[in-house]
Amino acid sequence: QKEVEQDPGPLSVPEGAIVSLNCTYSNSAFQYFMWYRQYSRKGPELLMYTYSSGNKEDGRFTAQVDKSSKYISLFIRDSQPSDSATYLCGSGQGAQKLVFGQGTRLTINP
Amino acid sequence: EAQVTQNPRYLITVTGKKLTVTCSQNMNHEYMSWYRQDPGLGLRQIYYSMNVEVTDKGDVPEGYKVSRKEKRNFPLILESPSPNQTSLYFCASSLWTGGEQYFGPGTRLTVT
Repeated sequence: QKEVEQDPGPLSVPEGAIVSLNCTYSNSAFQYFMWYRQYSRKGPELLMYTYSSGNKEDGRFTAQVDKSSKYISLFIRDSQPSDSATYLCGSGQGAQKLVFGQGTRLTINP
Repeated sequence: EAQVTQNPRYLITVTGKKLTVTCSQNMNHEYMSWYRQDPGLGLRQIYYSMNVEVTDKGDVPEGYKVSRKEKRNFPLILESPSPNQTSLYFCASSLWTGGEQYFGPGTRLTVT
C-alpha cells in the first residue's frame, strides 16, 4: 500500500463548478500536508501548506485535513480553465521525506 | 527572484555515459531534494540533504549519487545511466526539513 493514495482521474468539470480533490494517507505520524499544482511541462507549484487538522483557505482554494480519518482534501471554488492542471498532494513527518500521491489530472471546460 | 534552477532542462544520452544534472537555489534553504516523476508512479524521492555534507537516501536511490558541498548546490550524478532512468527529474528546496518545498523547472532525461 502506498503511503499516500490519490485518484489519478482524469477529472473533467465545467467552468464555475466546485472541484473536490482528495487523498488518503496511511502513516498516522504524518504532521504536515501540502498541495501542489503542476502544469504540463512545468515543475510543481506550491498551493497550500498546513500543519494541522482543519481548514485553510487561500482565495478560491481551501485545504482540509482530517487526521482522524487520514484524509486530505483540496476544494477549488469558481473553477477556471486556468485551473486545468495536475494536482499533487504530499505528506511528511519531521525530518523524514515528503511522500506524494500519484497526482490527479483536472480539466476545467469553458 | 527566489528560485530553484536546474541544468540542463533536456538531455538525451546513451547507456553508460556519466552525466550530472545541476541544481541551485538562491533562497539559503537548508533542505534540498531530488525527485523523479514517471507516469502512473507520481513523484518519488531519490536523495535528500538536510544541510551541507548531510545527505540520505530516498525511495529510489539506486543508480544515483549526490553531493552537497555548498548550501546552494545539490547536483545529481548518474555514474552509468541506463534506459530505466529515463524520466523527468525535479530538484526541490525548503527552508527546513518539513517546510514548504519549492521545485525547479525539471530536467527531462532520455537514456538510449
